[in-house]
Amino acid sequence: SAVISQKPSRDICQRGTSLTIQCQVDSQVTMMFWYRQQPGQSLTLIATANQGSEATYESGFVIDKFPISRPNLTFSTLTVSNMSPEDSSIYLCSVDQTPGSSGYTFGSGTRLTVV
Amino acid sequence: GENVEQHPSTLSVQEGDSAVIKCTYSDSASNYFPWYKQELGKRPQLIIDIRSNVGEKKDQRIAVTLNKTAKHFSLHITETQPEDSAVYFCAAGGIKAAGNKLTFGGGTRVLVKP
Repeated sequence: SAVISQKPSRDICQRGTSLTIQCQVDSQVTMMFWYRQQPGQSLTLIATANQGSEATYESGFVIDKFPISRPNLTFSTLTVSNMSPEDSSIYLCSVDQTPGSSGYTFGSGTRLTVV
Repeated sequence: GENVEQHPSTLSVQEGDSAVIKCTYSDSASNYFPWYKQELGKRPQLIIDIRSNVGEKKDQRIAVTLNKTAKHFSLHITETQPEDSAVYFCAAGGIKAAGNKLTFGGGTRVLVKP
């Protein structure tokens, strides 16, 4: 299965600032997904990123708050903008493997704390 | 959109016993149902998955069953061991028109007591 490198692994940020999270995949993938996992909770999809098109955001998430880039088939970034303590969470990228192979794989996550 | 419900939210079993986690989904078009195990501080890891053209799949001590008519699927862990202690998530998705995204259940915290 694909190997995903995600960074930073953790960060502590001041409210009002922005943080950009990067995901690098070792193979070309069509779709990349960005999830949020709040402490002790499940995974909530933020958006789906396709190369060459605008990201598709889920209900409750907007582009101004979570802008996403997908410049090629192996890389994507998620920015958490104008952060507040409520944004403290783990953010994970995930990729969709070729149908019939090993399913969806997650990056190691970014633990964000906003103070 | 898809909605996935998972039960129970916590499960405590004695080592060697079986554990069963159940999930229901709402969108009959979903055709891919993975299960993930997440240990504390780590990323979710895929442990088994099933596609809608199959009713059951086994991998050593882990099995998943799918009832498409009732729209529910279950994870069975036999001969549980302390290292099976983790949070388990079910998910549903695989719909091309919906971008192949996965919708996750709320998770089950499994504790295997030695």
